[in-house]
Amino acid sequence: DAKTTQPPSMDCAEGRAANLPCNHSTISGNEYVYWYRQIHSQGPQYIIHGLKNNETNEMASLIITEDRKSSTLILPHATLRDTAVYYCIVPHNTDKLIFGTGTRLQVFP
Amino acid sequence: DSGVTQTPKHLITATGQRVTLRCSPRSGDLSVYWYQQSLDQGLQFLIQYYNGEERAKGNILERFSAQQFPDLHSELNLSSLELGDSALYFCASSATEAGVWKSRGANVLTFGAGSRLTVL
Repeated sequence: DAKTTQPPSMDCAEGRAANLPCNHSTISGNEYVYWYRQIHSQGPQYIIHGLKNNETNEMASLIITEDRKSSTLILPHATLRDTAVYYCIVPHNTDKLIFGTGTRLQVFP
Repeated sequence: DSGVTQTPKHLITATGQRVTLRCSPRSGDLSVYWYQQSLDQGLQFLIQYYNGEERAKGNILERFSAQQFPDLHSELNLSSLELGDSALYFCASSATEAGVWKSRGANVLTFGAGSRLTVL
């Protein structure tokens, strides 16, 4: 997979926006950027994916830079239930997802 | 409920034994993926099946095997169990055809709740 780099941990106050960055400077061609999260010991949950344009759904927004070498996942109003490990994944010539270490987001009251 | 069903939820067994984990994909999904999550190793991809055929292999031990049946459910067989096999085992499914990356399409996986295996 195209290598992604994420900060190991972040904190966010409840009600504030959580902005989770991801570097994927080796992204190539038409490779998608996927974001998943895993709440403690639960199955990973799909959040959003994007190719070139910014994307928004009911869970989050995804901002992809013009050169596509980095992206930011935005949770607009973080809640305590958003505390989880967030994974940024760029599959390279494969259908399978390879999970890295992700960013552990802690939302505090 | 993600629509991906995994059984059993919890399983406790002894070293040397054999267990079978079962996964029913979401209705209409043809691809099934298995992942292992140990306490200290994160999520490791094991194997992918598409419509009954193996399509990709990851870090799956020779003691482990899997198959996907005509009704599309999948089973992961773990044999000669060791203490280090204790882990969460997740199954995921997707609606897209295998090899979708060749068409540069998107492939979204839906995960089940997992099976927790404890080897004593």
